[in-house]
Amino acid sequence: DGGITQSPKYLFRKEGQNVTLSCEQNLNHDAMYWYRQDPGQGLRLIYYSQIVNDFQKGDIAEGYSVSREKKESFPLTVTSAQKNPTAFYLCASSIGHGSGAFFGQGTRLTVV
Amino acid sequence: DAKTTQPNSMESNEEEPVHLPCNHSTISGTDYIHWYRQLPSQGPEYVIHGLTSNVNNRMASLAIAEDRKSSTLILHRATLRDAAVYYCILRAYAGGTSYGKLTFGQGTILTVHP
Repeated sequence: DGGITQSPKYLFRKEGQNVTLSCEQNLNHDAMYWYRQDPGQGLRLIYYSQIVNDFQKGDIAEGYSVSREKKESFPLTVTSAQKNPTAFYLCASSIGHGSGAFFGQGTRLTVV
Repeated sequence: DAKTTQPNSMESNEEEPVHLPCNHSTISGTDYIHWYRQLPSQGPEYVIHGLTSNVNNRMASLAIAEDRKSSTLILHRATLRDAAVYYCILRAYAGGTSYGKLTFGQGTILTVHP
């Protein structure tokens, strides 16, 4: 089945540690996105990528880094520089601006 | 980026139609209007999108005003499973192969009563 997979579903880390969230899609989509959602809030864009080896900062990129070495994969690293990393992280992909986006089920990151 | 304005919340009864409004007065000519919905602790789900003409699919209908400054998502017969947060989003087109960002607002919380 085609889709977008985020892993793990729940992740716990100690403060000061970097952590990498996985996002894989087998939909052959060019564009991929990372969002953060805090309780009771809407989604905020962290980074997005439209083609391999290229990505742009979204609205809240500070403290995060990404890579896009393969079309299928767009991992997000939450660095120790991110002041409030505890949140629900969502990855999405789409084929073009006139098409809908598909979202993964999210990774809930808790930093203690 | 062009912004959208939606009511914070709406209520409906089961099996009745629901009209969810969205204002986007600063929309540009190449912005697509997208709708997504999100259930608690899940990723958003694509519902429908359109550019100028009204659109229908198995989930909903999208009615776009003639001046494109507003749109309405129509759920023809609400069910309890339709209770979710509904997001209206404008997807900008920057030309060429640019796919444009999807910028989410606060959305409308839809409550469906049995």
